[in-house]
Amino acid sequence: GNSVTQMEGPVTLSEEAFLTINCTYTATGYPSLFWYVQYPGEGLQLLLKATKADDKGSNKGFEATYRKETTSFHLEKGSVQVSDSAVYFCALVTGSARQLTFGSGTQLTVLP
Amino acid sequence: DAGVTQSPTHLIKTRGQQVTLRCSPKSGHDTVSWYQQALGQGPQFIFQYYEEEERQRGNFPDRFSGHQFPNYSSELNVNALLLGDSALYLCASSFTGGAGTEAFFGQGTRLTVV
Repeated sequence: GNSVTQMEGPVTLSEEAFLTINCTYTATGYPSLFWYVQYPGEGLQLLLKATKADDKGSNKGFEATYRKETTSFHLEKGSVQVSDSAVYFCALVTGSARQLTFGSGTQLTVLP
Repeated sequence: DAGVTQSPTHLIKTRGQQVTLRCSPKSGHDTVSWYQQALGQGPQFIFQYYEEEERQRGNFPDRFSGHQFPNYSSELNVNALLLGDSALYLCASSFTGGAGTEAFFGQGTRLTVV
């Protein structure tokens, strides 16, 4: 079956620090990969996605590269802001399954 | 475009009762999926509806059932509520066009079972 393993949290950083949140996956079939963000009291918002190997998804300064050889999709941002404080979820979907499989989430807190 | 809308936003029920949650998909979307998110956890897939049929189901008991209407809106029903059913229930809509199609999520319904 499909599974996603995310870096354990919580993560606390100072503003302008570099962020990496690790994500690895196992999948039956060829997955599409996603990062979703959840702000307090809200639903999930798609942050970025990649649908094939070596694709780089990017949005709002966040980036992640689909690495098939290491089955990874690590999230990075060069300079975090207080407004980036949220829970980040790595997820995948495969053509045969159609449902999203999520990791357990990583709580990020950015201090001014 | 209103996006995905869910109602109600919060709900408190007693053990053994039944509950119905509602979801209206984003305009142009034909597929609705439901997820359960326990506190501090990632969302878990409950089931997915397409063309008014349950297309796929996750590892949830039969107490969880659903429906999709001709206008693509959907309901999630949970019978014989347990304390462990307390969670945020998320609805996601998408257009059936391949695995990379983006799913849009609603704000969720926070269900508390007491």
